[in-house]
Amino acid sequence: EDQVTQSPEALRLQEGESSSLNCSYTVSGLRGLFWYRQDPGKGPEFLFTLYSAGEEKEKERLKATLTKKESFLHITAPKPEDSATYLCAVQAYSNSGYALNFGKGTSLLVTP
Amino acid sequence: EAGVAQSPRYKIIEKRQSVAFWCNPISGHATLYWYQQILGQGPKLLIQFQNNGVVDDSQLPKDRFSAERLKGVDSTLKIQPAKLEDSAVYLCASSAGFEQFFGPGTRLTVL
Repeated sequence: EDQVTQSPEALRLQEGESSSLNCSYTVSGLRGLFWYRQDPGKGPEFLFTLYSAGEEKEKERLKATLTKKESFLHITAPKPEDSATYLCAVQAYSNSGYALNFGKGTSLLVTP
Repeated sequence: EAGVAQSPRYKIIEKRQSVAFWCNPISGHATLYWYQQILGQGPKLLIQFQNNGVVDDSQLPKDRFSAERLKGVDSTLKIQPAKLEDSAVYLCASSAGFEQFFGPGTRLTVL
């Protein structure tokens, strides 16, 4: 059975203090790994898709990387507006459709 | 480009009542998903449509939940009768390929 585990559950950073969020996964045939950002009271907002080990993608202060067992979301010099829950999800070839299997998320708080 | 629209945004009902949610996907997106997100958890797929056909409904509690997508565009999700454990945010997403785009969700509270 596919599993996605995110750590830590919650993370508090000072503005400018860089860190990384982890997403460990077990899946029978990875089609893609997705990162989303979710603000309170809103739906998940798409950030990145990674398809193969070694792939990296960047967007502003965020950088996502992928290995065969895990993905990292690196946040460089975060700002208070980066505070949100970050969700990781995997899409497997075994799925009949393109359904996403989500982790529980990491709640990030960046203080001034 | 307009995003995924959902209504209502909030709904409060008593247990054993029925409720319906509506979703309008991004124009041209053939695939539509309904997810359930319980507080503190990630979204969990309930049902996936490709145009107006069901692709995956393996995790839909079919004794109380139903969904339809008439004409391959808008979709409705219904719960009848509701239970306390159905309290959650119901998210609709649509896609034209691998990437899924989510609506704001409907927050359901069952008392």
